[in-house]
Amino acid sequence: ETGVTQTPRHLVMGMTNKKSLKCEQHLGHNAMYWYKQSAKKPLELMFVYNFKEQTENNSVPSRFSPECPNSSHLFLHLHTLQPEDSALYLCASGYRGKNEKLFFGSGTQLSVL
Amino acid sequence: GESVGLHLPTLSVQEGDNSIINCAYSNSASDYFIWYKQESGKGPQFIIDIRSNMDKRQGQRVTVLLNKTVKHLSLQIAATQPGDSAVYFCAENPRETSGSRLTFGEGTQLTVNP
Repeated sequence: ETGVTQTPRHLVMGMTNKKSLKCEQHLGHNAMYWYKQSAKKPLELMFVYNFKEQTENNSVPSRFSPECPNSSHLFLHLHTLQPEDSALYLCASGYRGKNEKLFFGSGTQLSVL
Repeated sequence: GESVGLHLPTLSVQEGDNSIINCAYSNSASDYFIWYKQESGKGPQFIIDIRSNMDKRQGQRVTVLLNKTVKHLSLQIAATQPGDSAVYFCAENPRETSGSRLTFGEGTQLTVNP
C-alpha cells in the first residue's frame, strides 16, 4: 500500500447525479493532488492543494469541485458530469515546497452514463 | 527489448531479458524526473527518480539514464520478470515550481513473455 486511500474504487453515475470522491493520506504530507487518467492519454493534473489552500486549477470545468478540509483529506465533488468525464481519477500526495516524488492512490474508476 | 518514445507504446520481451523503455521530455527547465509503474487496477507506483545534476542512477534491477543534451530519459530493467508487466510512465518536474507539479508522458506497455 502507498499510504494514500481512495474511495470508492468504482463509481457509475448519471449525468444529473451528484457524487463525491474521497482521498485520505497517512504519510504526513502537506500537499495533495487530483489527476485524471483517460484511456490512452497521459495523466492530467487537475488540482493542487498546499496546506488546504488550492494553489492550482488546471482549467478544470466547474462541474468538478475540489475540497480540502485538512492536509490529510481531499474530496472531489461531481455534478452534472458528461460521458467524456468517464476516466480514472487519481489522488496523490507529496511535500509542499519540495521537488520530490508523489504517492498515488489506486484511483476511482468513474463511468458517466 | 527497447521502446522508442511515443511512437512505440508497447514493448514485448522474454523473461530474463533486459528491457529498455525510453522517454523524450520537452521542457529544458525540468530538473527532476521520475519513472512510475502502473499495474492494471492500481495507481502509479514509484520506481526510481533522478535529478538533473546526475546522468545515471541505479536501483534494484533498475537503472535510469538521463541525457540532458537531447532531453532523453530511459529506464533499464535487468532480468525482466513476469511481474514487471505493466505500463511505465516517465514524469518531469520544472525547476521553477515550488513543490511537485509532475507532467507525465503517455506511457509504455511492457509485456513479459514466460
